[in-house]
Amino acid sequence: DIQMTQSPSSLSASVGDRVTITCRASQSISSYLNWYQQKPGKAPKLLIYAASSLQSGVPSRFSGSGSGTDFTLTISSLQPEDFATYYCQQSYSTLGGFGQGTKVEIK
Amino acid sequence: QITLKESGPTLVKPTQTLTLTCTFSGFSLSTSGVGVGWIRQPPGKALEWLALIYWDDDKRYSPSLKSRLTITKDTSKNQVVLTMTNMDPVDTATYYCARATYGEGWYFDLWGRGTLVTVSS
Repeated sequence: DIQMTQSPSSLSASVGDRVTITCRASQSISSYLNWYQQKPGKAPKLLIYAASSLQSGVPSRFSGSGSGTDFTLTISSLQPEDFATYYCQQSYSTLGGFGQGTKVEIK
Repeated sequence: QITLKESGPTLVKPTQTLTLTCTFSGFSLSTSGVGVGWIRQPPGKALEWLALIYWDDDKRYSPSLKSRLTITKDTSKNQVVLTMTNMDPVDTATYYCARATYGEGWYFDLWGRGTLVTVSS
């Protein structure tokens, strides 16, 4: 069973900041890594699939990188609507486990 | 327009079996490269993947819950059903269904709004 670990669990940032969230897999998952955004009371929304492919309609300030066990989600310039919780998910062994989430809060 | 909607009881008693239905429109689960999965989220906690059924009827389950879960599909009705046996208060959560799509790997690209299930006597 592949375990996904995100860091940090939460962060405070200001509008306009560059934000980086890390996700680590317990074994190599190649580039089979997805990122989701979830706002309170809402369903998650797909941002990035296959580690670095931007889902249609997602702003270009979001980007993903990494392969193997270490992955990164970057928001180049944080906007007010980006305050949310972000989850990574591996899709190497079926479409499976999520990380524990990273909450991005307003500083 | 593609939509998914979860339905089922909002309250179940401990030891009972939960049956949830995902009714979807705008796509077919007989199309190659498509699946429907279930994910849950206890209040204030992280997402937890539960089960996934593919267009070819292949089924996958979370290892930690496999003994309690069954996922089935009715392609003619555009429905996917999840049953979870022996419910416990720790199973209280919002349960989501989502479409799985393949494109350089699998991902959940469209989600239902979720349904809150409370387990209490």
